Amino acid sequence: DSGVTQTPKHLITATGQRVTLRCSPRSGDLSVYWYQQSLDQGLQFLIHYYNGEERAKGNILERFSAQQFPDLHSELNLSSLELGDSALYFCASSVGDLTDTQYFGPGTRLTVL
Amino acid sequence: LAKTTQPISMDSYEGQEVNITCSHNNIATNDYITWYQQFPSQGPRFIIQGYKTKVTNEVASLFIPADRKSSTLSLPRVSLSDTAVYYCLVSTSGTYKYIFGTGTRLKVLA
Repeated sequence: DSGVTQTPKHLITATGQRVTLRCSPRSGDLSVYWYQQSLDQGLQFLIHYYNGEERAKGNILERFSAQQFPDLHSELNLSSLELGDSALYFCASSVGDLTDTQYFGPGTRLTVL
Repeated sequence: LAKTTQPISMDSYEGQEVNITCSHNNIATNDYITWYQQFPSQGPRFIIQGYKTKVTNEVASLFIPADRKSSTLSLPRVSLSDTAVYYCLVSTSGTYKYIFGTGTRLKVLA
């Protein structure tokens, strides 16, 4: 158990809908990262927050957004969902950033029908 | 940004040493390299991290040559439970981007 929690574990929704994925980092960690894992694209970095502020963006679509709240938990919002958004979404956390080890949560499996 | 590639798959037998290489030709001076293990339907699990030369912990070693264009994860004596997918991750300084390798599926045979 990495100490990172993600909810829900599974999510099934329809095209065009909007969903919110939640992540609680390990106690004491200030950084939260979001990744998407799909069969054809592998593990892709989406976005990184450090202590409530956006630190870096990766391959995140404009239909996706995220935020980190004062209690350091984070949410990833996915809107106007398409079939291709079906994937595993992982959250990771670390104490600081860049050189600090990232600990991954169990993931949320999103299925868009 | 560094582009990272790995062999798609490898087979090994129990008790053997396994070396998995990750190529990251465009790695920048201050980028870090981390290796993760992933089992089906689980999040990646940290194995080891390094910047240059050699790093060793209780489960693996990481070799990084002087030019840093590649890195090699060494698992000393694999067991069946080491069957998993192994990923390298390059953490790029300056831009704070995180680039995973393509992953290597290791199968350990009895």
